[in-house]
Amino acid sequence: NAGVMQNPRHLVRRRGQEARLRCSPMKGHSHVYWYRQLPEEGLKFMVYLQKENIIDESGMPKERFSAEFPKEGPSILRIQQVVRGDSAAYFCASSPPARGNYGYTFGSGTRLTVV
Amino acid sequence: GDSVTQMEGPVTLSEEAFLTINCTYTATGYPSLFWYVQYPGEGLQLLLKATKADDKGSNKGFEATYRKETTSFHLEKGSVQVSDSAVYFCALSGDSNSGYALNFGKGTSLLVTP
Repeated sequence: NAGVMQNPRHLVRRRGQEARLRCSPMKGHSHVYWYRQLPEEGLKFMVYLQKENIIDESGMPKERFSAEFPKEGPSILRIQQVVRGDSAAYFCASSPPARGNYGYTFGSGTRLTVV
Repeated sequence: GDSVTQMEGPVTLSEEAFLTINCTYTATGYPSLFWYVQYPGEGLQLLLKATKADDKGSNKGFEATYRKETTSFHLEKGSVQVSDSAVYFCALSGDSNSGYALNFGKGTSLLVTP
């Protein structure tokens, strides 16, 4: 059973470029959560998605950030016009279709560096 | 809002020493509490959890007891190993409709030396 797969593991972008982070949930998991870990900080919740639906995006910055989880394919976290402050580790977690926190599985993360 | 405070690191211990990492929380209602571990370059792994007061979570020699009266969930291990070197995160989730979102502490780095 493959775990939660995130790619790329490392991503370098210049200021102003777009960053696309991908997350394939575990088999049988239909709920996806994105978290961001800034240096020296804990993880902060960003967004919760089910297939084709954004359930809660209360942790997403209001501009430049978007997320989707299409019917087919991985979940995508998109950051437009990246700035240095976007440099962080972005983690995806997935869970089966039940109250999420008991069945969370995290991926290994994508470490974004903006230069 | 809900929040988690855990002791600052780094914590450096010799192999076979006793470990305590303090964690206290602020929450309304009856949250579930978790400890996650992050090894270098990897994602978070659930270490243990407790879902109600006085529950004790345990795994791989680690333990933590959900203490509602002191709003604490301290992580302990009787004898640490070099392989326990990692960052440990305390987290909670609420019991409301937002129960899926985890609130994390800032993490405590542990280094165990031979």
